[in-house]
Amino acid sequence: AQSVTQPDIHITVSEGASLELRCNYSYGATPYLFWYVQSPGQGLQLLLKYFSGDTLVQGIKGFEAEFKRSQSSFNLRKPSVHWSDAAEYFCAYTGNQFYFGTGTSLTVIP
Amino acid sequence: GAVVSQHPSRVICKSGTSVKIECRSLDFQATTMFWYRQFPKQSLMLMATSNEGSKATYEQGVEKDKFLINHASLTLSTLTVTSAHPEDSSFYICSASAQGQETQYFGPGTRLLVL
Repeated sequence: AQSVTQPDIHITVSEGASLELRCNYSYGATPYLFWYVQSPGQGLQLLLKYFSGDTLVQGIKGFEAEFKRSQSSFNLRKPSVHWSDAAEYFCAYTGNQFYFGTGTSLTVIP
Repeated sequence: GAVVSQHPSRVICKSGTSVKIECRSLDFQATTMFWYRQFPKQSLMLMATSNEGSKATYEQGVEKDKFLINHASLTLSTLTVTSAHPEDSSFYICSASAQGQETQYFGPGTRLLVL
């Protein structure tokens, strides 16, 4: 079955620390992969996407993600987290339809 | 670019009434629009997919007679919750994509509360 998994339901990091949010997908071919961020009570904002080519993609707000075919992963990273990054993060991909992960809630402590 | 708006941002209605939510793509032509429902602290659940000028395709378990979707133009889709009940209270989010594009751009969501 096609699916996308975000193993971490909640992550807490200190401001200025590095961040990695995990995402694994299950799909026969190489899917189109996305990371979205959702602030409380808001819609989703696209952070970055991977379709093909360079496996390390840069996004907005200093985020990047790396596609690793061998691990079926598309982890999101940021070298130094800001308090404003506290939000819910969703990994998604398109196979024959759009699949969302269950989300990872990020808390940033001063 | 790729801005999607929703109106209203929040609505409170009485049980039994109908509520219409609008989703607009402001700076691109949205050949496909999607409607999602999100419960507190959960992921998005796709309700239906609509292509401009065609009938919407509903996901399994979604009542098409209760959640009426119209996509009459390349910039506007509407979701009407008919005879709303308290269990319909939720956060409804639309998204839109242009023809041939995989990326979905999301609206800010509409918070519906049915009393």
